[in-house]
Amino acid sequence: EPEVTQTPSHQVTQMGQEVILRCVPISNHLYFYWYRQILGQKVEFLVSFYNNEISEKSEIFDDQFSVERPDGSNFTLKIRSTKLEDSAMYFCASSDPQPQHFGDGTRLSIL
Amino acid sequence: DAKTTQPPSMDCAEGRAANLPCNHSTISGNEYVYWYRQIHSQGPQYIIHGLKNNETNEMASLIITEDRKSSTLILPHATLRDTAVYYCIVIRDSGTYKYIFGTGTRLKVLA
Repeated sequence: EPEVTQTPSHQVTQMGQEVILRCVPISNHLYFYWYRQILGQKVEFLVSFYNNEISEKSEIFDDQFSVERPDGSNFTLKIRSTKLEDSAMYFCASSDPQPQHFGDGTRLSIL
Repeated sequence: DAKTTQPPSMDCAEGRAANLPCNHSTISGNEYVYWYRQIHSQGPQYIIHGLKNNETNEMASLIITEDRKSSTLILPHATLRDTAVYYCIVIRDSGTYKYIFGTGTRLKVLA
């Protein structure tokens, strides 16, 4: 069964550094999403992406965040200048249009 | 999107049916009920969804009341591997609609 894959599984970064989280969505899906989950808390929506543009974003998704689909297969989340509070699991999802299928996430640790 | 209410936790004996309830009293006519689960810190896994008829697949059954204000996810023969947090989400079945995750029900299957 096709699946969403995310790399790396764990990323450790110094505060203030840029980080890029990568996702390969399911190949025929057209809708893409990023969510995050701070340890012990709910899964929170960050952003949705369709037709090469952002469809919706949450308050969390401020100017430090950006998304890109650079080559038709990858979908990336960039955090420009990481903060301690960005430490979380980041999940990518894709759909056509529903249900959304999630990857197993990237654990981002900010030191 | 409609808000959902679920019990915070449930236990179930291995081999018995697990019945997980969800209230969604403000659901509107074009909204579907989706169920996901999250095992440890893995990505949410899609289980099943429905509009108003009962649904069954290889993982579970979904019973939706006639007034659609509540539903029950049934795992017919729970195993230890079904121990997870189960989320009920209500959403329109088209377009880029963000999922709003609640705290879900933590199901523990007991040997």
